[in-house]
Amino acid sequence: GQQVMQIPQYQHVQEGEDFTTYCNSSTTLSNIQWYKQRPGGHPVFLIQLVKSGEVKKQKRLTFQFGEAKKNSSLHITATQTTDVGTYFCAGCSGGSNYKLTFGKGTLLTVNP
Amino acid sequence: KAGVTQTPRYLIKTRGQQVTLSCSPISGHRSVSWYQQTPGQGLQFLFEYFSETQRNKGNFPGRFSGRQFSNSRSEMNVSTLELGDSALYLCASSLGIGGEYGYTFGSGTRLTVV
Repeated sequence: GQQVMQIPQYQHVQEGEDFTTYCNSSTTLSNIQWYKQRPGGHPVFLIQLVKSGEVKKQKRLTFQFGEAKKNSSLHITATQTTDVGTYFCAGCSGGSNYKLTFGKGTLLTVNP
Repeated sequence: KAGVTQTPRYLIKTRGQQVTLSCSPISGHRSVSWYQQTPGQGLQFLFEYFSETQRNKGNFPGRFSGRQFSNSRSEMNVSTLELGDSALYLCASSLGIGGEYGYTFGSGTRLTVV
């Protein structure tokens, strides 16, 4: 079945440093979604990417979808303590049996 | 608009007991999916219901079951609880099937089996 791998598993940064998490799928995806889960909270939808090579920005967050639609990345510029949490990607291979497969997430901690 | 409501928030049960968790999706959302979250395994898909029909099922034993009512509210049931069932159970509501346009998650039910 479809597998979505996410790296790194953990990332600790100093406030102000950049952060990137990567997501790779074993199959071509129809789209990919990103979620953020704060400690003690629940996942919150951030964005969905659909087109090959798509790049979207949300303030300091930049999301990319690979040309082959098998990988994606989330980059945070100049991290802040409010960025702390686990970032999940979720990919879908599309078709009639539409179902999201989540990566295991990257836990980001930020040292003030 | 109201978010996804899960009840109860916390639950402690004994091995061998059964438990029922409830989820009320966002108004107008007909798809409800359930996930189990544990520190080591991340988000594991349990099942999805759409218009009262189970549309997809994950790789969980038959002790895990669910249903959806005509008002889209959903319940999941775990029978013969095991210690390993201790987890955060998340309900996710979506406008499209399978979270096609993104999920809205509830706050979850934290189940502890002792």
